[in-house]
Amino acid sequence: DVKVTQSSRYLVKRTGEKVFLECVQDMDHENMFWYRQDPGLGLRLIYFSYDVKMKEKGDIPEGYSVSREKKERFSLILESASTNQTSMYLCASRITGGAGNTEAFFGQGTRLTVV
Amino acid sequence: AQKITQTQPGMFVQEKEAVTLDCTYDTSDPSYGLFWYKQPSSGEMIFLIYQGSYDQQNATEGRYSLNFQKARKSANLVISASQLGDSAMYFCAMRDLHSNYQLIWGAGTKLIIKP
Repeated sequence: DVKVTQSSRYLVKRTGEKVFLECVQDMDHENMFWYRQDPGLGLRLIYFSYDVKMKEKGDIPEGYSVSREKKERFSLILESASTNQTSMYLCASRITGGAGNTEAFFGQGTRLTVV
Repeated sequence: AQKITQTQPGMFVQEKEAVTLDCTYDTSDPSYGLFWYKQPSSGEMIFLIYQGSYDQQNATEGRYSLNFQKARKSANLVISASQLGDSAMYFCAMRDLHSNYQLIWGAGTKLIIKP
């Protein structure tokens, strides 16, 4: 089974802290994604990566950065956490190419609260 | 711009009844794919079913089927014989098949199955 693992289920951080959210996948997928999920807004793409050391901004990259030093690991960084970054964060991975129906596989999510 | 609309924020359905979750989409691209995901309270997004824009038949996967009406740009999920375990958030998403990366997400529908 494909497995995408996020390092924490729940996190509470203080305003101004630097926060690291880690994601690891075990299926050798080239593409990895970080989404933010808020009620009534669905999932919004923060950043994605299509290869090691490669990254692309999604729809809402402001206040975030990412790191992909190894193929299996994709980290989301909140440089200086703010209360408006309190949210559920979902990591996903997907193989490159394949048929159009190739789905993305998700981690269990990290619920981040910034106080 | 591409857009997914799920007009039902929440639904209550009696156990064993069939349920239809609505999804409409907007795209000018003739080549696209539509996905449905389930998110139980545990947080993980679970892939349910896929429909390609050129598929001649409606997709089915066990108790899940997709009522694809291309002219109306709708891709409703039908769950037959609902079960208590079907209680979850359900998300409709679309991918432009020319893009390897982006999934556009709806806001989701919270389905609660009553015993």
